[in-house]
Amino acid sequence: GEDVEQSLFLSVREGDSSVINCTYTDSSSTYLYWYKQEPGAGLQLLTYIFSNMDMKQDQRLTVLLNKKDKHLSLRIADTQTGDSAIYFCAEKPLTGGGNKLTFGTGTQLKVEL
Amino acid sequence: DGGITQSPKYLFRKEGQNVTLSCEQNLNHDAMYWYRQDPGQGLRLIYYSQIVNDFQKGDIAEGYSVSREKKESFPLTVTSAQKNPTAFYLCASSSGGTSGSGELFFGEGSRLTVL
Repeated sequence: GEDVEQSLFLSVREGDSSVINCTYTDSSSTYLYWYKQEPGAGLQLLTYIFSNMDMKQDQRLTVLLNKKDKHLSLRIADTQTGDSAIYFCAEKPLTGGGNKLTFGTGTQLKVEL
Repeated sequence: DGGITQSPKYLFRKEGQNVTLSCEQNLNHDAMYWYRQDPGQGLRLIYYSQIVNDFQKGDIAEGYSVSREKKESFPLTVTSAQKNPTAFYLCASSSGGTSGSGELFFGEGSRLTVL
């Protein structure tokens, strides 16, 4: 079945760039997503990219997709303390039930002063 | 405002009791989902429903039940058969179908603790 993997932790200093990585196995993925989860809250969609794109930029966020290597990354420029959260990568397969997404384990981003 | 409302936010249960978690959406979405979140394990799909009066098991459906009598509502019952029910439960919805970006919109979650 589909599998999405992320590293569990990332620590950066305020003002630096953060890069969160994700790998996936399903080559039929149509869309790939990044969600943010703050403590005790639900998931908030940050951005998504269609599989025929290789880059998408939205303010401080840059998503890079390497479809050949099945690698997705999220770069956060000028990281702030408010960016501390868990970041989930998810993919939507071409086939299967509706919009059933497969999520990674999440990367806990800690921003230090 | 449009969104997804989960209740209660926190719930305590004694072993052997069934509990029902509520999920209501006013986004006019066809599809709704229940996920379970445990530390270090990400999100795992319990049940999903693509249309009213129809639902399918996800990856970890054992010990759970759902109903979808109304488009807006998708309650989840955690039964006494669920061996390890303490977790954070997330409800989500999407516009459904297989075309389009299909992103999920999430509620704020319900934390269930079994005493």
